[in-house]
Amino acid sequence: QKEVEQNSGPLSVPEGAIASLNCTYSDRGSQSFFWYRQYSGKSPELIMFIYSNGDKEDGRFTAQLNKASQYVSLLIRDSQPSDSATYLCAVKGFGNEKLTFGTGTRLTIIP
Amino acid sequence: EPEVTQTPSHQVTQMGQEVILRCVPISNHLYFYWYRQILGQKVEFLVSFYNNEISEKSEIFDDQFSVERPDGSNFTLKIRSTKLEDSAMYFCASSASGMRETQYFGPGTRLLVL
Repeated sequence: QKEVEQNSGPLSVPEGAIASLNCTYSDRGSQSFFWYRQYSGKSPELIMFIYSNGDKEDGRFTAQLNKASQYVSLLIRDSQPSDSATYLCAVKGFGNEKLTFGTGTRLTIIP
Repeated sequence: EPEVTQTPSHQVTQMGQEVILRCVPISNHLYFYWYRQILGQKVEFLVSFYNNEISEKSEIFDDQFSVERPDGSNFTLKIRSTKLEDSAMYFCASSASGMRETQYFGPGTRLLVL
């Protein structure tokens, strides 16, 4: 069974600080990695995707991928109260179309 | 900005009844998906659909489930005889291509089976 693991939280971060969210995956053949944000009762909304080892930055968000360690992370700089949500890590394997999701990390930004 | 739409937003049905959930994917997308999320649990893949046929399905997607693209715009999920455990949020998603392309999710249909 291919698994994606996330710390369920809740993770509380002061406004303006950096929030760090982590994800590990079991399938070494995984090719594509996605971070989605999900507000309560809403659908997943894409934040970032990353395919290659290293860092990828988009505004206040940085995704980091380490395929050797089977680890992907998301950093949110200058955290805002509107960033309070559940962050879902999703992984796509080689030759697969399906996304395998983790259980999500609930993030709360404290004003 | 183009988006995936789903109808209805909420559906309440009796156990054993058939339900059809509808989705309109983004217009130039070719790959379509259904996922579900039971309350408090993770998002789970059900099925992917490309070129008018199922390309991948999960163990959850048994004979009670079917998908169809009845015309050029709609994509439907049918549950033939609903069970209590089918109560969940059902999300449709679409992508321009299958492999690395991002999947965009619709707002979901909340299904409650009584």
